[in-house]
Amino acid sequence: EAGVAQSPRYKIIEKRQSVAFWCNPISGHATLYWYQQILGQGPKLLIQFQNNGVVDDSQLPKDRFSAERLKGVDSTLKIQPAKLEDSAVYLCASSNQLVNTEAFFGQGTRLTVV
Amino acid sequence: GQQVMQIPQYQHVQEGEDFTTYCNSSTTLSNIQWYKQRPGGHPVFLIQLVKSGEVKKQKRLTFQFGEAKKNSSLHITATQTTDVGTYFCNQAGTALIFGKGTTLSVSS
Repeated sequence: EAGVAQSPRYKIIEKRQSVAFWCNPISGHATLYWYQQILGQGPKLLIQFQNNGVVDDSQLPKDRFSAERLKGVDSTLKIQPAKLEDSAVYLCASSNQLVNTEAFFGQGTRLTVV
Repeated sequence: GQQVMQIPQYQHVQEGEDFTTYCNSSTTLSNIQWYKQRPGGHPVFLIQLVKSGEVKKQKRLTFQFGEAKKNSSLHITATQTTDVGTYFCNQAGTALIFGKGTTLSVSS
């Protein structure tokens, strides 16, 4: 089966600019996660969707970050405006159940804010 | 999802030596999952343990879930350079929360 697709793979922007990341989960996977991974740290959960509903967005900096999964399939994560500390790898993952199941990760998008 | 504490945070071994990383929780876990992330890569699921005292093996990797379901370990026998990476453990609840993991480096 095809894996989790993410684009772009790399992005360099200046601070205060906007950026968007796209994720297409594995077909049929209802649960979708967005993570931020800063160099040397573990992935930090930003938001979790179940179909097109938000399960958990407690760690999402809502003043600048937004995410949507309108049709319950692919998802977009946006940062507006970006700060230097947003430089990180943004990982998307999906799973076929809400609980107790393995997650499959995409290759990630490496964002550099200068 | 509940975050578990993992030790050590870093471990360096010579190729051929054994390696173990431990996960500990103050409360009973319903399950424990292990992931591996290679340098520059993304986390990859290794295994999920559910039963008390469960032991599972994958070639040179041995995973164990404690009898009280409050701790788990991953043991690698005779490490190879391909084992380099960060190993994460977590409980798969309604959210998938990662800690800092254990970063393994191997010198040949």
